[in-house]
Amino acid sequence: DGGITQSPKYLFRKEGQNVTLSCEQNLNHDAMYWYRQDPGQGLRLIYYSQIVNDFQKGDIAEGYSVSREKKESFPLTVTSAQKNPTAFYLCASSSGTVSSQPQHFGDGTRLSIL
Amino acid sequence: LAKTTQPISMDSYEGQEVNITCSHNNIATNDYITWYQQFPSQGPRFIIQGYKTKVTNEVASLFIPADRKSSTLSLPRVSLSDTAVYYCLVGDEYNFNKFYFGSGTKLNVKP
Repeated sequence: DGGITQSPKYLFRKEGQNVTLSCEQNLNHDAMYWYRQDPGQGLRLIYYSQIVNDFQKGDIAEGYSVSREKKESFPLTVTSAQKNPTAFYLCASSSGTVSSQPQHFGDGTRLSIL
Repeated sequence: LAKTTQPISMDSYEGQEVNITCSHNNIATNDYITWYQQFPSQGPRFIIQGYKTKVTNEVASLFIPADRKSSTLSLPRVSLSDTAVYYCLVGDEYNFNKFYFGSGTKLNVKP
């Protein structure tokens, strides 16, 4: 089955620690996205990548970093600079923009502070 | 960037038709409207997308009036499994970062 796999499902971060969230897709999509979702809120864009070796900041990129070395993979690092990292993180992919093609989402990683 | 406004929550009963409206007064010419469904602790799932008039698929219909300042997602004969949060997204067809995800409508279907 084609889809997006996010891991781990739950993650805990200590103060001053960087953590990396994994996102892998086998849909052959060029575009990939990272979102943050806080309780009762909509999705906010952290980073997006239109193609391999290229990525752009979204609305709330501060304290986060990404890489796109392979088409299938788009890992997100939550750095110690992100002072309020507790949230539900969602990765998505699509074959075009969000309005030209549907996005396919993973089942998320829930990050908490220890 | 066209922001969206949706009701926070709605209640319905099994077998009823449910209509969820999204307001997007500042929608631009290149903007499309997309609806997603999300269950707790899962990623959103695509339901339907449209630009104007009416779009129908096997699970829902999307009604968009001529001025495109709002859109209505229609779910026919809902069941308990349709209890979820429904998000309206308005986004530019050509740009990867020009879109707005609303805060969603929590639909509660009762038996």
